[in-house]
Amino acid sequence: QKEVEQDPGPLSVPEGAIVSLNCTYSNSAFQYFMWYRQYSRKGPELLMYTYSSGNKEDGRFTAQVDKSSKYISLFIRDSQPSDSATYLCAMSRRNDMRFGAGTRLTVKP
Amino acid sequence: DVKVTQSSRYLVKRTGEKVFLECVQDMDHENMFWYRQDPGLGLRLIYFSYDVKMKEKGDIPEGYSVSREKKERFSLILESASTNQTSMYLCASSSAFLYSYEQYFGPGTRLTVT
Repeated sequence: QKEVEQDPGPLSVPEGAIVSLNCTYSNSAFQYFMWYRQYSRKGPELLMYTYSSGNKEDGRFTAQVDKSSKYISLFIRDSQPSDSATYLCAMSRRNDMRFGAGTRLTVKP
Repeated sequence: DVKVTQSSRYLVKRTGEKVFLECVQDMDHENMFWYRQDPGLGLRLIYFSYDVKMKEKGDIPEGYSVSREKKERFSLILESASTNQTSMYLCASSSAFLYSYEQYFGPGTRLTVT
């Protein structure tokens, strides 16, 4: 069993749709939960992070962490073509960071 | 604007060649990392370094070595390239903050070994 599981997609949605991306994990010691966004031919960039359980909102993006279920989510409201990218979940304990495989998202105009 | 740069965007090498991938960061970060990224497998850690001349093995160090002689520079070395090392290689850096959640990535080097 992988330490972090993420559905690789691909996921294709029309502009304006609500997007839900999810990851599960097995190591309960993780403390920080992150979402990275990776555009084509670029390195990943941090989009959002959450410490422990709970929700965090940043504009059209909402990150949720449920430590009891070992499940994290990223919601994108009013999705835009510029949101088309690969989204990687990540989680860390100290300097040990683990990444999901990434979900490729395409938002069609 | 923080920056991690990698010496090459694309590289084609032959089996058995020695390959050097260079990474430089300008953020005075203590930690530096080398990952490889393969479809369906995500980012897998090859080696990391938390200080000059210090290195630690990651999850898949076999066939690789690293060098960190200066704080800003971290090199990945493939001693004898093989076709199964064809991949995207990403370098990253982060501060030494104990519970660091952010790593800054370079644009990646796509290595093809023929």
